[in-house]
Amino acid sequence: SQQGEEDPQALSIQEGENATMNCSYKTSINNLQWYRQNSGRGLVHLILIRSNEREKHSGRLRVTLDTSKKSSSLLITASRAADTASYFCATDDPMNYGGSQGNLIFGKGTKLSVKP
Amino acid sequence: KAGVTQTPRYLIKTRGQQVTLSCSPISGHRSVSWYQQTPGQGLQFLFEYFSETQRNKGNFPGRFSGRQFSNSRSEMNVSTLELGDSALYLCASSLTGPGNTIYFGEGSWLTVV
Repeated sequence: SQQGEEDPQALSIQEGENATMNCSYKTSINNLQWYRQNSGRGLVHLILIRSNEREKHSGRLRVTLDTSKKSSSLLITASRAADTASYFCATDDPMNYGGSQGNLIFGKGTKLSVKP
Repeated sequence: KAGVTQTPRYLIKTRGQQVTLSCSPISGHRSVSWYQQTPGQGLQFLFEYFSETQRNKGNFPGRFSGRQFSNSRSEMNVSTLELGDSALYLCASSLTGPGNTIYFGEGSWLTVV
């Protein structure tokens, strides 16, 4: 099955800088979601972007989606030390059966470190 | 509104034992899915339940099973535990219909010794 691939695998920046993470996937999707995970904790939902949307904003987060390139990017502006976490993109599985939507396919994640 | 609640948060089991993990979805959410997260394999889909029926299943052996109750609460069970089953098990819930946000709980950390 398809899998999203985040790039870079690790990113280290200073507080106040912007952080950009990229995600590529292999087949068509209905929507793409970005999640944050602090070490040892659960996943926190950040943004969902549908296949007919190109860009979405939420506070300091900006997500873009290019379905022709099968890629998405997550931009965190004016980063803070509290943004230190792993970030994952997740796509729905086009092979979902019977209306199933809970089958998300995750990438390996980008580990972001924001230094104060 | 309470989020997805998973219990227990941490547990240690011995090889060969079985374990049951519990998940209470967000109120009103009828779709519940389970994921396994390990350093080597990342996040992998286990199964999804809706209205007490398994709607989709990932590529895991039959030792992994689950169920959903009429109140949408879900449990997953792993029998004959192996060392490789040590992982963070995450439960997620969502409203029905495409394009709905999927919310995750804090997970249950399982260590098999």
